[in-house]
Amino acid sequence: EVQLVESGGGLIQPGGSLRLSCAASGFIVSSNYMNWVRQAPGKGLEWVSVIYTGDTTYYADSVKGRFTISRDNSKNMLYLQMNSLRGEDTAVYYCARGIYCSSGSCYGMDVWGQGTTVSVSS
Amino acid sequence: DIQLTQSPSFLSASVGDRVTITCRASQGISTYLAWYQQKPGKAPNLLIYAASTLQSGVPSRFSGSGSGTEFTLTIISLQPEDFATYYCLQLNSYPPYTFGQGTKLEIK
Repeated sequence: EVQLVESGGGLIQPGGSLRLSCAASGFIVSSNYMNWVRQAPGKGLEWVSVIYTGDTTYYADSVKGRFTISRDNSKNMLYLQMNSLRGEDTAVYYCARGIYCSSGSCYGMDVWGQGTTVSVSS
Repeated sequence: DIQLTQSPSFLSASVGDRVTITCRASQGISTYLAWYQQKPGKAPNLLIYAASTLQSGVPSRFSGSGSGTEFTLTIISLQPEDFATYYCLQLNSYPPYTFGQGTKLEIK
């Protein structure tokens, strides 16, 4: 079964760091464009970051310089290292697989995890 | 950056109705657009990709159309389980990828 399972969320103080993990099954992470998407409480969806098959990465302006996306091919895992966390980073974080992607464009994101909650508060 | 303007933000309809949601891109994105349904506390569920291709397992009462800058999601014969929030997503030509603001579909 094709599946994504996130973990690593929690309550963290402003300025702290957290690493989110996303375990994939049923497909190979390194062969796909893999994304992180977040949703603040009561708000809409916000794209956060992507890693391409060739290791190129991109970030939303709101997290650039603070977040780092990576993967471990041997473990078939995706990660999001989050540093210098702020209150506005409080959200449910989802990992999601891009579909039919090429040259930076995709036709959608088809597989999503259940989400992991990050709360940034003192 | 490409902006997506989704309308309406709220929609009130009855079971059996036909509804249309629109997504407008600030520049042409070919058909690199997807539609999602999200229910409270759940992850988004892919309905349509490539602007008009129905995802496997999604009921045929959902359809998508458009290309370039204008896109629509249509639901015919609304069912009780269709009342949810809907989002469009563009993934054209390198990030940032962007979501529409969402449309909350409520029961009248």
